[in-house]
Amino acid sequence: NAGVMQNPRHLVRRRGQEARLRCSPMKGHSHVYWYRQLPEEGLKFMVYLQKENIIDESGMPKERFSAEFPKEGPSILRIQQVVRGDSAAYFCASSLQREGLLETQYFGPGTRLLVL
Amino acid sequence: GQNIDQPTEMTATEGAIVQINCTYQTSGFNGLFWYQQHAGEAPTFLSYNVLDGLEEKGRFSSFLSRSKGYSYLLLKELQMKDSASYLCAVRDQDYKLSFGAGTTVTVRA
Repeated sequence: NAGVMQNPRHLVRRRGQEARLRCSPMKGHSHVYWYRQLPEEGLKFMVYLQKENIIDESGMPKERFSAEFPKEGPSILRIQQVVRGDSAAYFCASSLQREGLLETQYFGPGTRLLVL
Repeated sequence: GQNIDQPTEMTATEGAIVQINCTYQTSGFNGLFWYQQHAGEAPTFLSYNVLDGLEEKGRFSSFLSRSKGYSYLLLKELQMKDSASYLCAVRDQDYKLSFGAGTTVTVRA
């Protein structure tokens, strides 16, 4: 059973460009979470999605950032007009829901974004 | 708000035991998780506590006291491959994980 997949693993962008980060959850998982990890800091929650629905985007900056999890295909975290402060590791996690309870979140390998 | 504290660094000798403490103050609680993260890699799930007490899983054990807002991760018979960052995370009443900054454990020969 393949784990959570993320691509690309490394992404370099110049200021003002767009970054698109992809996440395929573990097989059978329909809940996806995105986290950001800045150097020397803990992972910070950004957004929680189910298929075709954004459940909680309270951790995501209001501007330039958006996320989706379409019916078919991976979840996408999109950052428009990137700035140097967006440089970080972006991790995706997925989980099952069983008997109404969300289970353990399993993480992908992350995408390391560098903005020049 | 969420406040999760753990030591920044710990060093121990191969074969020894190390205990990583985590204290938390959160607005909701629905479980405490420990993850291991090697440099440049994904956090991997180690353990989960939702009730008070000790959970043992091979060389790793995790303890929780909800009344004290306290947990620890115990690593026994340390191996060089255990050198990594260990992340304490609290899940709120629904699903959101709040992470500490991580404890970097260095195992020396």
